[in-house]
Amino acid sequence: GNSVTQMEGPVTLSEEAFLTINCTYTATGYPSLFWYVQYPGEGLQLLLKATKADDKGSNKGFEATYRKETTSFHLEKGSVQVSDSAVYFCALKPNAGKSTFGDGTTLTVKP
Amino acid sequence: EAGVVQSPRYKIIEKKQPVAFWCNPISGHNTLYWYRQNLGQGPELLIRYENEEAVDDSQLPKDRFSAERLKGVDSTLKIQPAELGDSAVYLCASSLEGQGNYGYTFGSGTRLTVV
Repeated sequence: GNSVTQMEGPVTLSEEAFLTINCTYTATGYPSLFWYVQYPGEGLQLLLKATKADDKGSNKGFEATYRKETTSFHLEKGSVQVSDSAVYFCALKPNAGKSTFGDGTTLTVKP
Repeated sequence: EAGVVQSPRYKIIEKKQPVAFWCNPISGHNTLYWYRQNLGQGPELLIRYENEEAVDDSQLPKDRFSAERLKGVDSTLKIQPAELGDSAVYLCASSLEGQGNYGYTFGSGTRLTVV
């Protein structure tokens, strides 16, 4: 079956530091890949997505590139802010069927 | 446009009692999902509806959980009777399938505590 493996947290960074959260996946075919963010007490929000190999998704300074050869979709941001503190979930979705989510990575950014 | 609306936000019940959660998806979204999220974990699918039809309920514990989606719009998830292990956040999400993979829109969830 499909699966998503995320870098274990928690991750603690100082403001303006560079962020990488690793995500690798196992799936048949060519799924779409997503990053969601969850702030305390809220549901998940779609952060960015990529639907085919070599696509780069980007939003709010975050980026992730769909790497088919390494089955990865790592999340990066060049300079994090305190407001980026949240839980980040990597997910995949095949063309037909349900999404599969990773277990989430908690990011804390300190001033 | 309103997002996915869920109610209640919080619910505390004693074990063996029934409980129900309600979800109003984004207008026009044909697919609706109920997920359960345990602390420190990612969401796990309970049931997926396409319009009013449940197309994937393989992970729904049918001895105690039931769901319905009236007229392909609002949905209700029920647990009867609740057990201590049901304590979790129940998330509803909707999407417009068949138009590409645009991702899901989630509601804020219902945090259930069974005591």
